[in-house]
Amino acid sequence: RKEVEQDPGPFNVPEGATVAFNCTYSNSASQSFFWYRQDCRKEPKLLMSVYSSGNEDGRFTAQLNRASQYISLLIRDSKLSDSATYLCVVKKSMYSGGGADGLTFGKGTHLIIQP
Amino acid sequence: EAGVAQSPRYKIIEKRQSVAFWCNPISGHATLYWYQQILGQGPKLLIQFQNNGVVDDSQLPKDRFSAERLKGVDSTLKIQPAKLEDSAVYLCASSLALAGGPGIMGEQFFGPGTRLTVL
Repeated sequence: RKEVEQDPGPFNVPEGATVAFNCTYSNSASQSFFWYRQDCRKEPKLLMSVYSSGNEDGRFTAQLNRASQYISLLIRDSKLSDSATYLCVVKKSMYSGGGADGLTFGKGTHLIIQP
Repeated sequence: EAGVAQSPRYKIIEKRQSVAFWCNPISGHATLYWYQQILGQGPKLLIQFQNNGVVDDSQLPKDRFSAERLKGVDSTLKIQPAKLEDSAVYLCASSLALAGGPGIMGEQFFGPGTRLTVL
């Protein structure tokens, strides 16, 4: 079983719609959770961290369910510029500083916003 | 602020040849990572350095891959000899994390990557 699993899509969504992605992780020792965005042929960039209490950044809402080992991302009022691959990411450590804290990525979910 | 620099951006080699990639992290970033991203996959960690010491190389295929960060700044990743399945984008990332530091989430910033094609 892969450590982080995501539906690769593609998700084809009309502009202005709401879209949700999910991912599951297998390592219960995971401590930190993120969504990264990767545009075609570009490097991944941090979109947002994910907290158990849920967190929002503009049109983006992320949620973590530790009991189910499940992470979600909701995009409201989608824009053409949201078209990208969204990578679900986990890390074993809470903090950085001296220990192994490499990121474990899912395969990514490809999102296409259509005009 | 300048980002993570990598070179070359593209490299095409024949199988069994050697290749080396270079990374210059963001100034002041103590931690440096090399990731391999095969087409259609998420990045996979190969090695993590803290200053010039290796913290994690558990997923580095040590029979053919090697990496160093001799002065705790720039790093090189080498493949010798290359195989067809090494075709991928090699991403370097850095974070500000300092050994023994307080609770810092330590965002990792990625460079543009080196796209390797092995024929």
